[in-house]
Amino acid sequence: DAGVTQSPTHLIKTRGQQVTLRCSPISGHKSVSWYQQVLGQGPQFIFQYYEKEERGRGNFPDRFSARQFPNYSSELNVNALLLGDSALYLCASSLDPEGASQYFGPGTRLLVL
Amino acid sequence: DAKTTQPPSMDCAEGRAANLPCNHSTISGNEYVYWYRQIHSQGPQYIIHGLKNNETNEMASLIITEDRKSSTLILPHATLRDTAVYYCIVRITDSWGKLQFGAGTQVVVTP
Repeated sequence: DAGVTQSPTHLIKTRGQQVTLRCSPISGHKSVSWYQQVLGQGPQFIFQYYEKEERGRGNFPDRFSARQFPNYSSELNVNALLLGDSALYLCASSLDPEGASQYFGPGTRLLVL
Repeated sequence: DAKTTQPPSMDCAEGRAANLPCNHSTISGNEYVYWYRQIHSQGPQYIIHGLKNNETNEMASLIITEDRKSSTLILPHATLRDTAVYYCIVRITDSWGKLQFGAGTQVVVTP
């Protein structure tokens, strides 16, 4: 069975631009969470979506937004990119709404110049 | 969610048991202890979780002290592929997918 997939794998943007990252959860998983991992640190929670509704939000500015589609795939959008947005963006899916056991994708590495 | 404290790094010989400690002295009664690991350049991988009883699965064992203020993850026979950052996380079940990762423990398994 396919695991969580994310696209693209790598991305280079310049300051002020906008970026969209995509995630496909494991088949049957209705919950998707997004995390940001800056080099040398643990992942930081950004959003969780379950059944197309936002269920949780971390301490990130409004420049970060996300949505979940009817097929449970998800997109993370970041506007007005800053240098500090350079990070590995991870998507995780889970079968249950509480997200007890989350399955992570390989991530999208974003570099902002 | 309660905070956790882990040693920044530890080494383990291949074939030996690796015992990874975690302190969570402010844990509440409804908070579970979760362990994830992250192999270099990959996403984190769920290992195991528990509330107060010891747990075992095909990957590891989780030992939680009676007062629940600390726990130990045991990898029974470490292999080189177990080299990773191991994260101990405490969370309540209805925290809607939010996992609070700390810095974790960098475990290096040596031949």
